[in-house]
Amino acid sequence: DGGITQSPKYLFRKEGQNVTLSCEQNLNHDAMYWYRQDPGQGLRLIYYSQIVNDFQKGDIAEGYSVSREKKESFPLTVTSAQKNPTAFYLCATAGGDTQYFGPGTRLTVL
Amino acid sequence: SQKIEQNSEALNIQEGKTATLTCNYTNYSPAYLQWYRQDPGRGPVFLLLIRENEKEKRKERLKVTFDTTLKQSLFHITASQPADSATYLCALRTRGGSQGNLIFGKGTKLSVKP
Repeated sequence: DGGITQSPKYLFRKEGQNVTLSCEQNLNHDAMYWYRQDPGQGLRLIYYSQIVNDFQKGDIAEGYSVSREKKESFPLTVTSAQKNPTAFYLCATAGGDTQYFGPGTRLTVL
Repeated sequence: SQKIEQNSEALNIQEGKTATLTCNYTNYSPAYLQWYRQDPGRGPVFLLLIRENEKEKRKERLKVTFDTTLKQSLFHITASQPADSATYLCALRTRGGSQGNLIFGKGTKLSVKP
């Protein structure tokens, strides 16, 4: 069963805490992406990785960090430096020209 | 400045009619443009891709046009059904951009009434 999994689906965090969102894929895709989506907004690119052990900042990388130690995994850490972290976070992979999205994680900061 | 805009935040139509959604861009040189469907609380799902040298693409009840002179893509759903209700996102890949990287519009929320 191929696809992208994100966990957890809902996540609550207290202000000042770091939190890590998981993204795993078994599509054998090299490229992986993290987006943030706010109500009424388009997808904004946080970080992307074209290959293992390499990643680049997207448009809104401040307050976030990533790693890409394995092809299958691209976890995103939302740090306490991110001033407004409450949002819907989407992980995607790219197979050729098409992006494939996971189900998303909704992060709420209390 | 570079922009990609979907003109309508929301579009309401009657079942059976054709829905037409618009995506405009400025100051980009597109390699191709894509359309995605997103249901509430879920990730977007790829629908269609049209390249800069193509005028029209079709898939079942869906049709996409691409006019690089007008810098516009139109997305049509014919014989619309309530199940077509969702948010539709256009996404653009620029020439020279990193492989696979896309720039997304904010989306148009389509509601098809029975």
